[in-house]
Amino acid sequence: GQQLNQSPQSMFIQEGEDVSMNCTSSSIFNTWLWYKQDPGEGPVLLIALYKAGELTSNGRLTAQFGITRKDSFLNISASIPSDVGIYFCAGPYLNNAGNMLTFGGGTRLMVKP
Amino acid sequence: DGGITQSPKYLFRKEGQNVTLSCEQNLNHDAMYWYRQDPGQGLRLIYYSQIVNDFQKGDIAEGYSVSREKKESFPLTVTSAQKNPTAFYLCASSIVADANYGYTFGSGTRLTVV
Repeated sequence: GQQLNQSPQSMFIQEGEDVSMNCTSSSIFNTWLWYKQDPGEGPVLLIALYKAGELTSNGRLTAQFGITRKDSFLNISASIPSDVGIYFCAGPYLNNAGNMLTFGGGTRLMVKP
Repeated sequence: DGGITQSPKYLFRKEGQNVTLSCEQNLNHDAMYWYRQDPGQGLRLIYYSQIVNDFQKGDIAEGYSVSREKKESFPLTVTSAQKNPTAFYLCASSIVADANYGYTFGSGTRLTVV
């Protein structure tokens, strides 16, 4: 599948700080998805982006679809302890079986109260 | 409520034994997937199925087997041939050929070999 590179791999921040993470690819994507995985649980879809340049918010979370269509960004404002988890970006690609999702390696977020 | 259910949440297996992880969905999704996640790592695709009675190998299928006899169910068997089976296993489902809307994940099964 296509490769998605996420950075940073991990972040340890103080409660109340803002957080920024990104996802890049050498290929163009027409959709960017951001998931959050709580410890010991399955990933849950946070935000979906379908148009280059699109900026979408979900509470304190804001995600952007990069203009080049090769990157996406996720920002979290005023972090709280329950923001702890792994954040994954994902994008669909076509293979011989159909339309599949590829996932980035994740950004692990730790928040110090 | 519609969703995807994995059971059990925790599973212990002795070396040399096969074990089967359950995954059931009532979302009427055609496609289902199995992923493996190791500590601090991302998601690696084991097997996927786009339609009943058909499935395809993912990136790390060796030592695993699946079946898709019903649309709602996609069990994963971890065989004794899997040399390092201790991991967190995630099942997911989606509307077939429409990954643009993402996958719905179960809550996972943590398998430990003792």
